[in-house]
Amino acid sequence: DAGVIQSPRHEVTEMGQEVTLRCKPISGHDYLFWYRQTMMRGLELLIYFNNNVPIDDSGMPEDRFSAKMPNASFSTLKIQPSEPRDSAVYFCASSSEGGGITGELFFGEGSRLTVL
Amino acid sequence: AQSVAQPEDQVNVAEGNPLTVKCTYSVSGNPYLFWYVQYPNRGLQFLLKYITGDNLVKGSYGFEAEFNKSQTSFHLKKPSALVSDSALYFCAVRDVENAGNMLTFGGGTRLMVKP
Repeated sequence: DAGVIQSPRHEVTEMGQEVTLRCKPISGHDYLFWYRQTMMRGLELLIYFNNNVPIDDSGMPEDRFSAKMPNASFSTLKIQPSEPRDSAVYFCASSSEGGGITGELFFGEGSRLTVL
Repeated sequence: AQSVAQPEDQVNVAEGNPLTVKCTYSVSGNPYLFWYVQYPNRGLQFLLKYITGDNLVKGSYGFEAEFNKSQTSFHLKKPSALVSDSALYFCAVRDVENAGNMLTFGGGTRLMVKP
């Protein structure tokens, strides 16, 4: 299995630009999570989906952030417009029914975003 | 609300010595507890978990953790550290009854194993 696949691995953009991060979960997994990691705030859960439906987006920082999961094999996290304080590593993780309960999340390699 | 505390930002150990990375938690119900490891420029990898049963849990790479309900702790241990164990370690908790399907992660502890 290829694991959770994220793209791009690195993104450098200028303030005000739109950023789209992509994630392909492990086939058969029905939970998908977006996390953000920074030195200051550690690992934060932004949003998670179950069977492509957003369940909890209370961690999304503000309206500039949006996430979609149009099908079981693809999710996007969009930031529009981006700001320097959005600079972070964004992780996607997936798990299967029961995996969410047992906590065995499978993480992608992350997308490192730098907003200048 | 559920929370996790990792009181040490960094733990330094000499290779071959035992290591302990501390974790305490707070939940209103019963906890599911986990340890994850993150190597540089990589995603988090699952190490081990406590769901129920034996308080001593064994996981990957020779790591183990002991669930202590009275002290609300779940410290990560290894009898003999390797240089390759150097990484960032995260403890996580899920309140079985009250937090839906979400894990709460601690702030992480950097483990440095020196030759």
